[in-house]
Amino acid sequence: DAGVIQSPRHEVTEMGQEVTLRCKPISGHNSLFWYRQTMMRGLELLIYFNNNVPIDDSGMPEDRFSAKMPNASFSTLKIQPSEPRDSAVYFCASSLRDSSGNTIYFGEGSWLTVV
Amino acid sequence: AQSVTQLGSHVSVSEGALVLLRCNYSSSVPPYLFWYVQYPNQGLQLLLKYTTGATLVKGINGFEAEFKKSETSFHLTKPSAHMSDAAEYFCAVRQPGANNLFFGTGTRLTVIP
Repeated sequence: DAGVIQSPRHEVTEMGQEVTLRCKPISGHNSLFWYRQTMMRGLELLIYFNNNVPIDDSGMPEDRFSAKMPNASFSTLKIQPSEPRDSAVYFCASSLRDSSGNTIYFGEGSWLTVV
Repeated sequence: AQSVTQLGSHVSVSEGALVLLRCNYSSSVPPYLFWYVQYPNQGLQLLLKYTTGATLVKGINGFEAEFKKSETSFHLTKPSAHMSDAAEYFCAVRQPGANNLFFGTGTRLTVIP
């Protein structure tokens, strides 16, 4: 079974450029999460969606960050303009929202370097 | 409010020795608890989870964890460390009915030959 698929796996970009990270959740899952991992701050939730609707975006650091989920099988995280402090690993994750302690499954991550 | 504390950002054990990674949580209601493992340059993989029922939970790769409500702990153990266990381990908590996971800061496990 295909897991959560993220692209690109690695990206190096110059400061000021727009960055778009893409995610395909596991088929049938109705919750999608974007996390950021850095040495300084660990794993932080940026935003999550239920049934394609953003539920909590309080973790989005600045207006430079935006996320969309136009349908159940695709989401994007965009940074415009990018800055060196945005360098991090960005994880997309998905789960089936129910009441039984459902597992959140993670993608392999997008490793972003802004120079 | 809920939070997770992992004691020890780095743990080193000898191959064949007991692995003990500590996790304490804070939650207003009994939470769901998770351990994830992250190998270098990879995403997070679920090791095990506790939701309800038996408090001793067995996971993959010989790991297990015990939910102790009185101690608000969910420590991860493995009787005998293997070289392939070297990785970073994250404890996470979620309140029933909520959707988000709150992660601890992680513990990096080194296994010494």
